[in-house]
Amino acid sequence: DAGITQSPRHKVTETGTPVTLRCHQTENHRYMYWYRQDPGHGLRLIHYSYGVKDTDKGEVSDGYSVSRSKTEDFLLTLESATSSQTSVYFCAIRETGGLSEQYFGPGTRLTVT
Amino acid sequence: KQEVTQIPAALSVPEGENLVLNCSFTDSAIYNLQWFRQDPGKGLTSLLLIQSSQREQTSGRLNASLDKSSGRSTLYIAASQPGDSATYLCAVSPKEYGNKLVFGAGTILRVKS
Repeated sequence: DAGITQSPRHKVTETGTPVTLRCHQTENHRYMYWYRQDPGHGLRLIHYSYGVKDTDKGEVSDGYSVSRSKTEDFLLTLESATSSQTSVYFCAIRETGGLSEQYFGPGTRLTVT
Repeated sequence: KQEVTQIPAALSVPEGENLVLNCSFTDSAIYNLQWFRQDPGKGLTSLLLIQSSQREQTSGRLNASLDKSSGRSTLYIAASQPGDSATYLCAVSPKEYGNKLVFGAGTILRVKS
């Protein structure tokens, strides 16, 4: 299994509070991704990173920010959580760009009340 | 814009049957196609990666084929077992933006004992 961990694995928070999810990898892969998965919408890309301090938006980036200060860590922040951000969040890694396999972490279930 | 479709959306078969899951994509300009498995409440597990220059990949009882020109891939599962029950997703890596994957909605497979 690819060395990807996510923390926390479960979180319940209130509307309006900030939340940070962490993804940690031990593979030294260049690319890291954050997805959300919702019934009826499948997997949707939030943000991704192609190197330390290099990030770009995905298709559902509004309300989310990311940071990558080290190769191994990719943080996803919800500045002010809303109920629409209740979801399961997955981190993924990829060694290079389009040619390589993508591996997923175990997920974080976030509930915003 | 690349779109990925998976048919059927759900499939129920008796144990021991051979089965085929289908994936189609609208733009043949891809680097590769990847098949994943997702168990309920879990992350995605990579099953097979087929590069655009390849026709098929095999892993144990799984065989994935790729016909890039027609925009189709199939995942063949031989001698199905109850443990194969899961959601199967395919994803393509488009050349237009090769850092990202475009996912299908998945096929929910149930193998009855």
